[in-house]
Amino acid sequence: AQSVTQLGSHVSVSEGALVLLRCNYSSSVPPYLFWYVQYPNQGLQLLLKYTTGATLVKGINGFEAEFKKSETSFHLTKPSAHMSDAAEYFCAVSEEAAGNKLTFGGGTRVLVKP
Amino acid sequence: DTEVTQTPKHLVMGMTNKKSLKCEQHMGHRAMYWYKQKAKKPPELMFVYSYEKLSINESVPSRFSPECPNSSLLNLHLHALQPEDSALYLCASSQEPAYTEAFFGQGTRLTVV
Repeated sequence: AQSVTQLGSHVSVSEGALVLLRCNYSSSVPPYLFWYVQYPNQGLQLLLKYTTGATLVKGINGFEAEFKKSETSFHLTKPSAHMSDAAEYFCAVSEEAAGNKLTFGGGTRVLVKP
Repeated sequence: DTEVTQTPKHLVMGMTNKKSLKCEQHMGHRAMYWYKQKAKKPPELMFVYSYEKLSINESVPSRFSPECPNSSLLNLHLHALQPEDSALYLCASSQEPAYTEAFFGQGTRLTVV
């Protein structure tokens, strides 16, 4: 069965500092991996995805993530935080064996300090 | 057009009311989804429609009844809800049932009184 663990339900960073959000997954086969962002009272917006190919994936708003099979990780980073990055971030996994259903991690709320 | 449009944005209903949530997409996507999201929690899958047929029901109570009239529309009919059903209801769509990229609507904030 697939599952996703996001380490840290809250992360506080200073504006201009590195943003690092951790995501580990368990899956019996190579999965599809996603990061979504959710602003207050909004739906989810896809930041980036990994399906196959290059393990370093670049997304919108300056975010990127690296798929590390040996570590079963898909951590999200952004070199320099902006105030507009304050939001909830969800890592998600899907695999064919699970009917291609998205399984979300618990989420990480990012607070950006001026 | 890469939008998934949900109406209404907010809904307050009594426990004896019948109401419907609507979702529309014009991206030609063949899979559509309903999710329920409680405060400070991740979205939970409720239903999946694949090519206008219900393919997944995550053991959702029968007071929630989905409907897919055509490939662009998805409804969620609500009847005899409980206060604990209050949540943000999200609709999403993807090109195929196999997830490559899912587009989410803004959600309907439902309050049951």
